[in-house]
Amino acid sequence: GAGVSQSPSNKVTEKGKDVELRCDPISGHTALYWYRQSLGQGLEFLIYFQGNSAPDKSGLPSDRFSAERTGGSVSTLTIQRTQQEDSAVYLCASSYWGGVETQYFGPGTRLLVL
Amino acid sequence: DQQVKQNSPSLSVQEGRISILNCDYTNSMFDYFLWYKKYPAEGPTFLISISSIKDKNEDGRFTVFLNKSAKHLSLHIVPSQPGDSAVYFCAARSRRNTDKLIFGTGTRLQVFP
Repeated sequence: GAGVSQSPSNKVTEKGKDVELRCDPISGHTALYWYRQSLGQGLEFLIYFQGNSAPDKSGLPSDRFSAERTGGSVSTLTIQRTQQEDSAVYLCASSYWGGVETQYFGPGTRLLVL
Repeated sequence: DQQVKQNSPSLSVQEGRISILNCDYTNSMFDYFLWYKKYPAEGPTFLISISSIKDKNEDGRFTVFLNKSAKHLSLHIVPSQPGDSAVYFCAARSRRNTDKLIFGTGTRLQVFP
C-alpha cells in the first residue's frame, strides 16, 4: 500500500513568510510524528500525535511552530515568520499505536529560508 | 546536549569487508536502541534494534552489539555490499518516554567495489 507522503518536497521561502508543510500518514496509523534534520544534525523530535490524545509538543523549538492533525489523519506543520535557522529537512513518520520500531517515514520536505 | 552521538560522519569500506558503525549515548534511562538507514531523497527506514537486556542482536548480514557499561553500541554489516551505501542513524528510546526516539547525527557509509 501507499507509504507516508509529504508535500511539498521542496520549499523555498523568504525570511518572515509563513509556510505550511503537509503529511499524509499511512492509513490506519494512529501515531504521527514530526522531526526535522538541520545540516549536520540528527533528527530532532518536534511533535507527536497519538489518536485523540493531546499532542506532545515538547520538541517544538518556538511558538512560531505549530501543528495540527485533522480527523486523525492528515497533519500540517506550520512555521510562522520563518527564520533562516528554520532551514532543514522536515520529516513526518507514522506508526500503529506508537511502536517506535514501526515508524514509517515520509521522504521529507526540504525547506530553505532565504 | 547531544544524548546520542555518532562521532564518525563518514565511513568508506570495500565491498565484501566488514562495516562497523559506532554510536555512543549518555542517558542511562535509554532502554531500547534502533538503527535506521536512509537513502538520498527518502525517509529513514528501520533496520535493526536491540533491547538493553541483550548485548547482541543479529539479522542476516546485520548485527548490533550493545555495551551498557560503556554506553556504546555498534552496527556490523558483513559482508558489505554497494547497496548498503547510505546514511545510518542510531536512535534511542527512554524507558520514561517510550513513544519518542532520540537520534544521532548519522554516519554516511560508502561501500566501493
